Order: sequence, then structure tokens, then C-alpha cells
Amino acid sequence: QQQVKQSPQSLIVQKGGISIINCAYENTAFDYFPWYQQFPGKGPALLIAIRPDVSEKKEGRFTISFNKSAKQFSLHIMDSQPGDSATYFCAASPGRYGGATNKLIFGTGTLLAVQP
Amino acid sequence: NAGVTQTPKFRVLKTGQSMTLLCAQDMNHEYMYWYRQDPGMGLRLIHYSVGEGTTAKGEVPDGYNVSRLKKQNFLLGLESAAPSQTSVYFCASSPGGLGPQETQYFGPGTRLLVL
Repeated sequence: QQQVKQSPQSLIVQKGGISIINCAYENTAFDYFPWYQQFPGKGPALLIAIRPDVSEKKEGRFTISFNKSAKQFSLHIMDSQPGDSATYFCAASPGRYGGATNKLIFGTGTLLAVQP
Repeated sequence: NAGVTQTPKFRVLKTGQSMTLLCAQDMNHEYMYWYRQDPGMGLRLIHYSVGEGTTAKGEVPDGYNVSRLKKQNFLLGLESAAPSQTSVYFCASSPGGLGPQETQYFGPGTRLLVL
């Protein structure tokens, strides 16, 4: 009910390739879906976020695709660079339906390595 | 702006010892959170606060207590540390509200090893 399932656990991509990370959720009350990026030894930082009223959001090389009926969303990194090597977490929040707590449920993370 | 800071950066405890982790934010954020990060398990919410003087339980609250006496500070306490509490602890804050106000800003983390 509250879980967010993320795959793959790890991903190796060649420089210039496309990295794709997938997440699935069960709770239809989730209203806000952010992706966080974490470099080794650092805290996570917001990368991009989407609400279920749109099917896609793009910011630079990063795109979220959202499929409300399938309860799935994914992160696409175009033209992947070695500097993109990091751990990526998807998350979900009840947002406006969550009693104004902004609590996030995180996926288990994907370790991305972009080879030069 | 320092953002979100955490003290200490690293600590080793023996089983049964107690300690307090300090989180401070200088962004005047209303909401603050404590997470633990373990390999293969992502980040799990321990406790959170939606304003000065308020606290609430998250997903994994057992063995931890928190206090938010000042808006800028959020303390996480371990009364009797156990090896299962070996983890990396992250504090986060957010402005509160919807839209950009939902963004959580994370601190650099505290590595805790309980022997």
C-alpha cells in the first residue's frame, strides 16, 4: 500500500547512452513523485519531480514519464555522462491528500555508473 | 546559507550507550525529517516535525526519540543504542505546503556505528 518499488538495483551505461530507471507504486492517493540524486558521501538532492496530472516532464537531459493507469513512473537520462554516476531514488508523497506533512516514501535506489 | 547541517559526521557507540544527533537548518523551514539509509533499503522515515514543538512518528520510529524545541533545530536521540541502529542518518527540511514547498533539502548525513 505504501511501497514504492524501484528497478534496476544497478545500471551500467556507456557515455552518451540513455539511462532508464523505473518505479511502481500501489497507493492511488500518492500525488507527488520526485526523483532524488545522491553522490557518494553526500545527502540526496532533488533532481526533478512530477504530479499525476501530466504524463511527462523534461528538464534538460532528465525526463520523467508518468503512467497513471499503470501506477508507474520512470526517469530517463539522455546523453548520459560520467558525472551522472550516482544513486538515484524515486519517491512518492500523498501531497495535498497527505494532511500537509509532505512525507516521502522512497524506493530502494539505483546505482548508476556511466562509463567513459 | 549553510542549508541543513548535521552534527556529528561520524560516531562509534557501544551497545547500550546513548547519544543525540543534531540537525540545524537556516532556511526558516517549517517541516523537518529524520531518515535512516541502509544498503538496499533506500531511505526510511524515522520521525518528522511539521512545526516548532511538534513531532510525529514515521515508518521506523522504535528505539528513537526526537525533539523540536526551536524551529531551526531537530534532535534525534538514541536512548540505548543497538547494533541494528548502525546506519547513515539523514536530516531533511522543507518549507511546507505544496508545489516547490514540498522539496526536501537534505543534510550531509551522520554515519553511526554501534558495536
